[in-house]
Amino acid sequence: DQQVKQNSPSLSVQEGRISILNCDYTNSMFDYFLWYKKYPAEGPTFLISISSIKDKNEDGRFTVFLNKSAKHLSLHIVPSQPGDSAVYFCAASLNDYKLSFGAGTTVTVRA
Amino acid sequence: NAGVTQTPKFRVLKTGQSMTLLCAQDMNHEYMYWYRQDPGMGLRLIHYSVGEGTTAKGEVPDGYNVSRLKKQNFLLGLESAAPSQTSVYFCASSYSASGPSYEQYFGPGTRLTVT
Repeated sequence: DQQVKQNSPSLSVQEGRISILNCDYTNSMFDYFLWYKKYPAEGPTFLISISSIKDKNEDGRFTVFLNKSAKHLSLHIVPSQPGDSAVYFCAASLNDYKLSFGAGTTVTVRA
Repeated sequence: NAGVTQTPKFRVLKTGQSMTLLCAQDMNHEYMYWYRQDPGMGLRLIHYSVGEGTTAKGEVPDGYNVSRLKKQNFLLGLESAAPSQTSVYFCASSYSASGPSYEQYFGPGTRLTVT
């Protein structure tokens, strides 16, 4: 039973535009959320995170929004660049060190 | 500083064969993890370790064993490989001096095919 869901397997966006990736979760006890980025033939790398006590966290072009009442978080990338083409995983933690991952969303940035 | 390394990068096994995947980290991390990634399923935790000499089961432990004899190494073993274990395996590590440490650092992965 997958507790973290990314319902959009893929997203195509034009360079310079905004990319919005969505993630839903079922366990209201999750207290920390992360986004990872993965290029082909490489391991995932940490991108940005947010604690459950916040509703927004920003790091350069990347912003994560958390809506706890809807059990939903989103990652905004503005502006999108060709190097952002990758698979993005949403992950959540339950007050410990183990992470539950979503299935991933493949982002393609078109020139 | 190599971070997290995995050996081998690729491997093809016949059903019933055994093998060991090696993960090494040079960041002095306490926690280490083994995941498998399958299409449409994200990363699923196989086993993990919270320190040298300790191991624990994750979400999908059946068919795998692990050992953490040294803090920097975490081994994943398949005693009798099955086609269902065809996957990409990732090792990760994280640090916690006290309390949770959420950010995990991943190795480059091992692509395993069982025929």
